[in-house]
Order: sequence, then C-alpha cells, then structure tokens
Amino acid sequence: DTGVSQDPRHKITKRGQNVTFRCDPISEHNRLYWYRQTLGQGPEFLTYFQNEAQLEKSRLLSDRFSAERPKGSFSTLEIQRTEQGDSAMYLCASSLLQGQGNEQFFGPGTRLTVL
Amino acid sequence: SQQGEEDPQALSIQEGENATMNCSYKTSINNLQWYRQNSGRGLVHLILIRSNEREKHSGRLRVTLDTSKKSSSLLITASRAADTASYFCATDPLDSGNTPLVFGKGTRLSVIA
Repeated sequence: DTGVSQDPRHKITKRGQNVTFRCDPISEHNRLYWYRQTLGQGPEFLTYFQNEAQLEKSRLLSDRFSAERPKGSFSTLEIQRTEQGDSAMYLCASSLLQGQGNEQFFGPGTRLTVL
Repeated sequence: SQQGEEDPQALSIQEGENATMNCSYKTSINNLQWYRQNSGRGLVHLILIRSNEREKHSGRLRVTLDTSKKSSSLLITASRAADTASYFCATDPLDSGNTPLVFGKGTRLSVIA
C-alpha cells in the first residue's frame, strides 16, 4: 500500500454513460497525476495538478475527459459519453516536488470496462 | 507516446537465477526510474537513478545508466517467484520541469519455482 487510494477499483458501464473516478493522494504531496494504461502497455500520461492548478494535459485527454482537484487534495477524473476505446486501467499517482527527484507513488488503479 | 523501450518484452527464468532487463530512451533526462507492477495492480517504485549517476544498488536490485547510449539496465539477483511481475522504466525528461514520467511498454518477468 503506497498511501494513494483510488475509488472505485472496478467500473463496468455501458457506452454513452458518464463515469467519475476519485483519487486520494498522499496527504503532503502537492503533485497529482492521472495516467491511463491499456493491456500490454505502460502507463500513458493524461494530466497533472500542482496543488489545485491543472498544469498540463495530454493530447490523449479529449474534451470528453475532465479532471479536477478543487482543494488541492483529492482529485476526480470524469469521462463523459464513454466509448469502448476508453476501457483501460486509470492510474493516479502523487509526488512531492523537491529537487531533481520525481518519485511518484501510484494508487491501485480503477479498471474501466465499457460495454 | 512512449519514450522508453524495454528489452526483452518477456523473460522467463528459474528461481535463483539473475534477471536482466534493458531500457532505451530517446531524450535527455533528469533521472530514470524503475517500477514494478503485479498483474492488475498499481505500480511500485523500485529505484531512481539520476543522470549524473552510473550505477545504483538497492537490496537485490542493481541499476546502471549510460546517458551517452541513452540506456539503462535493471538486474535482479537471486530471483524469487515473488519477483514475477512487469517491470517498467520511466524517464523524467530534462526539459519537463519534473512533470509526467514517460514509461516504456515493460518487461514481463516470470520466475519459475
């Protein structure tokens, strides 16, 4: 257990439905990242926050995806009008900005299946 | 897009043997990190090596970094069945300002008891 929690762990939904995932980072970490991982691939960056500010978004993050971190603590990732291609593991990670290190602590992930 | 490429894609060894995984990357980096992922689980950080370091040890793990060749290797000595997992290298690009890591596709290691 890294101290990063994600909820739910699994989500099955029908195409066209909206889904929302939550991530609770390690409490003192100011950076929070969302990644997506498909079978047989490494994690791919989606977006990240420093405190409550969303600083970068990947081109993978279409306009159906939105992420928030309203109080600089937990974060939510919402996918609207889900498509089958959204099926993946969604990973959250957090880190503490310091020096040259960027060790990220990952949560267990939310596995999304879109039927 | 993924910067790193791990080699081999899959590796199967007997318990007690050493396992070596390689990673190549494309751009200049601040550091390179290795992570482990058990099936269906999140990633666990193993070791971080900075761009000015050439070798680092942690328990049964040894990591080397050759920035001139843009490559790294992870050696697991005296492997155990519990080491069975996927191993990913991740680079912290030099001009990224300590932001998202760029992961490779991973090496799937199977340690047979």
